[in-house]
Amino acid sequence: AQTVTQSQPEMSVQEAETVTLSCTYDTSESNYYLFWYKQPPSRQMILVIRQEAYKQQNATENRFSVNFQKAAKSFSLKISDSQLGDTAMYFCASLSSGSRLTFGEGTQLTVNP
Amino acid sequence: GAGVSQSPSNKVTEKGKDVELRCDPISGHTALYWYRQRLGQGLEFLIYFQGNSAPDKSGLPSDRFSAERTGESVSTLTIQRTQQEDSAVYLCASSLWRDNEQFFGPGTRLTVL
Repeated sequence: AQTVTQSQPEMSVQEAETVTLSCTYDTSESNYYLFWYKQPPSRQMILVIRQEAYKQQNATENRFSVNFQKAAKSFSLKISDSQLGDTAMYFCASLSSGSRLTFGEGTQLTVNP
Repeated sequence: GAGVSQSPSNKVTEKGKDVELRCDPISGHTALYWYRQRLGQGLEFLIYFQGNSAPDKSGLPSDRFSAERTGESVSTLTIQRTQQEDSAVYLCASSLWRDNEQFFGPGTRLTVL
């Protein structure tokens, strides 16, 4: 069974600053994928970034990057130059060969002006 | 269509009634997933369809829950004899194939009075 843990229920950051959201996971699979999803108040789940476990290089998408530590089973999300539109609930998720996504409990991020 | 659509957007029902929730996946996507999101929590996997294979029903919480999908098209999630603890947002997602990125619909908010 897979588990995903997000230990920060809430976080806040000032506009234009950098924030890091933490995530740890546990899986017995050798091949898996990790994701960060964003869920604004509209409820729409939006993929922010994905990481294939077999890739050593950390994924980057514009202002979003991850710090993937495979041995430690850690997958944190760094948001640079935070914008007001980044305010949302952020979910870390893992996907293995079973094809179901396993989600963490989420971190509510608030970007303050 | 351009994305995954779900209907209705909101559903209020009385305890003991049956409800049907609908999901229209992205055209050409062979995999379809249902998740449940209780207030303030992450998403829980319910059921997964892949083409014409037998669905993975291992996430369904009780025999009051069932889902159908015809080929690679629309899916319906049925909850019989609804209970108050069934109140949640029900999210549908589709992907081109298993292990690909899952695209989510806007969800159906179910309220059981």
